[in-house]
Formats: sequence, C-alpha cells, structure tokens
Amino acid sequence: EDQVTQSPEALRLQEGESSSLNCSYTVSGLRGLFWYRQDPGKGPEFLFTLYSAGEEKEKERLKATLTKKESFLHITAPKPEDSATYLCAVGPSGTYKYIFGTGTRLKVLA
Amino acid sequence: NAGVTQTPKFQVLKTGQSMTLQCAQDMNHEYMSWYRQDPGMGLRLIHYSVGAGITDQGEVPNGYNVSRSTTEDFPLRLLSAAPSQTSVYFCASSSGLAAYNEQFFGPGTRLTVL
Repeated sequence: EDQVTQSPEALRLQEGESSSLNCSYTVSGLRGLFWYRQDPGKGPEFLFTLYSAGEEKEKERLKATLTKKESFLHITAPKPEDSATYLCAVGPSGTYKYIFGTGTRLKVLA
Repeated sequence: NAGVTQTPKFQVLKTGQSMTLQCAQDMNHEYMSWYRQDPGMGLRLIHYSVGAGITDQGEVPNGYNVSRSTTEDFPLRLLSAAPSQTSVYFCASSSGLAAYNEQFFGPGTRLTVL
C-alpha cells in the first residue's frame, strides 16, 4: 500500500536554529515527491518537486533532498515567518492520485 | 490570473441537506481534484478529473459526486450531508497528468454539518 509518513508532527525552533523535517514514503514507483507549505486558514502552497534519488532543490532558507525511501526538508537559520505546516506528497507510478502525509507543524520563535 | 477559486468560503448545513461546492481555475489545467482536510488526517483525495467528461474516485468518495463539463469548472456535490462530512475542502489543479506535476490549491471551503 502506498503510504507517506512525516515526522516530527510538531517542531519548535528558536530563530536561527537549523533543523530538518522528514518525509518517509512507500510506493510501488515514484513519479514525483512534492513539498508544500500551508499557513493557517489557507490552501497549501507549492514549494518543491523532486523526481529522482540524489536530487536537491533550494529556495531561500529551504533545501529539499530525496533518497529512495525518504525526503528531507532542511531549514537553515529559520525566521518566525517560516512558521507554518509543511506537507509532503507523492505521486505513485501508474496512478493519477497524489498521497499526502499528515504534515509537520513548525513554529519558529523570535 | 486568479488561479484556483472556491466558493463559498464558509458553509453551515443541517444533516440531510444537499449543496454544491464550486471550484474554478483559469490556468487551462487538465487535472483537477478535491480533497478534504481533517485534524490529524492530512489531505485525503475525494475525486479527481483528468479532463472534461472524465472523473474518477479517490480515497474517500462516499457521499460526494462530481462532474466535469468544462476544463475550468469542477464542482463537488454533497448529496445528503452528514456530520462526518464536517471538514475543510480544498480544490486543486495541475498542468500535468499521472501525478507528475505540482498542484495549485484554492483557498478552501470550511463546511460544518449540524
């Protein structure tokens, strides 16, 4: 069964304290792995797509990496405005469906 | 370019009532989908469409109907609302098919069924 698991469920960081969020996945084949950011009361906002193991993408303080079993979202020197829920999703091969994890709620304290 | 729009933003229904959640996109995307988001459950796929006239079921389709008569619109119908359908509903669209491209999400509809 295709599955996505994110950890930790919640994370509190001090401003400037770097950390990583984990997304573990089990799929029969991977078309793409997606990271989204979701602010309270809003729809998810696209951040990154990763397609193959070893791929990395960066955007400001965020860097996403991918292995054959998991993806990491590294946050370097976070700021309070990085506080949000970060969602991971996969697109399994042979399907038109996306499968989402339950997200990591990140709180960055000033 | 408005992206993905959803109406209404909030809705309260009584058990047994029916209603339609509207979703529209102006990006000429072939793929559109509906999700519900519940605390601790993440986003769960209700129905999706890969083009006008083509729809299919997702993970939690029971109690919901969809149709796709145009590329732009993808309404979600609740046939007979139940308290278990209290949730936040998101519509999304994507330029690609086969779960290869990122999705663009609407702002959501918060539905309460009493």
